[in-house]
Amino acid sequence: NAGVTQTPKFQVLKTGQSMTLQCAQDMNHEYMSWYRQDPGMGLRLIHYSVGAGITDQGEVPNGYNVSRSTTEDFPLRLLSAAPSQTSVYFCASSYSMDMGVHTFGSGTRLTVV
Amino acid sequence: TQLLEQSPQFLSIQEGENLTVYCNSSSVFSSLQWYRQEPGEGPVLLVTVVTGGEVKKLKRLTFQFGDARKDSSLHITAAQPGDTGLYLCAGRLYYGGSQGNLIFGKGTKLSVKP
Repeated sequence: NAGVTQTPKFQVLKTGQSMTLQCAQDMNHEYMSWYRQDPGMGLRLIHYSVGAGITDQGEVPNGYNVSRSTTEDFPLRLLSAAPSQTSVYFCASSYSMDMGVHTFGSGTRLTVV
Repeated sequence: TQLLEQSPQFLSIQEGENLTVYCNSSSVFSSLQWYRQEPGEGPVLLVTVVTGGEVKKLKRLTFQFGDARKDSSLHITAAQPGDTGLYLCAGRLYYGGSQGNLIFGKGTKLSVKP
């Protein structure tokens, strides 16, 4: 089925560990983005990409890295996990940054202890 | 400062009642969207409005974009338990011809009791 696939669904990390959240889409979308969702805070943009090889920071980029080597994949790396990064992470894609239609993945629930 | 203010934060109603959810800002948006999110899932797009004063209907849901493109509302007629979920508004800021990233409100958690 076409869409945005996120893995893993759940993850528990110890403080200081690093990991990569995977995101893949098969709709040939140029625009991809990562959000985190926290209770009472809504969805906040972490990083985004308007095409392969192009990435930029969003509202809350500190502690996260991204790269976009292909149109399909947009992994999010946590360099040194902190308890403040406990959250639900969503990857989304759309045809372009100007397009309103965003397709979201089902999320990764991350707990940092 | 939250650019998009949603109200109310929580809403618990009985099946068959009507309700309205609001999304307000002091900024102008080039477009505004409404999403619905169920527990454990990502948001799902319901509608996009782009023209000031625009009204769109999706079955029992009516969406309106304010004339000045600073606010929007979602009205549900005869709510059903299947309408239960988190409703999110999201807008693209207007920068004099260019558009920014999508900005989300904090959401309205709706519970419809049978």
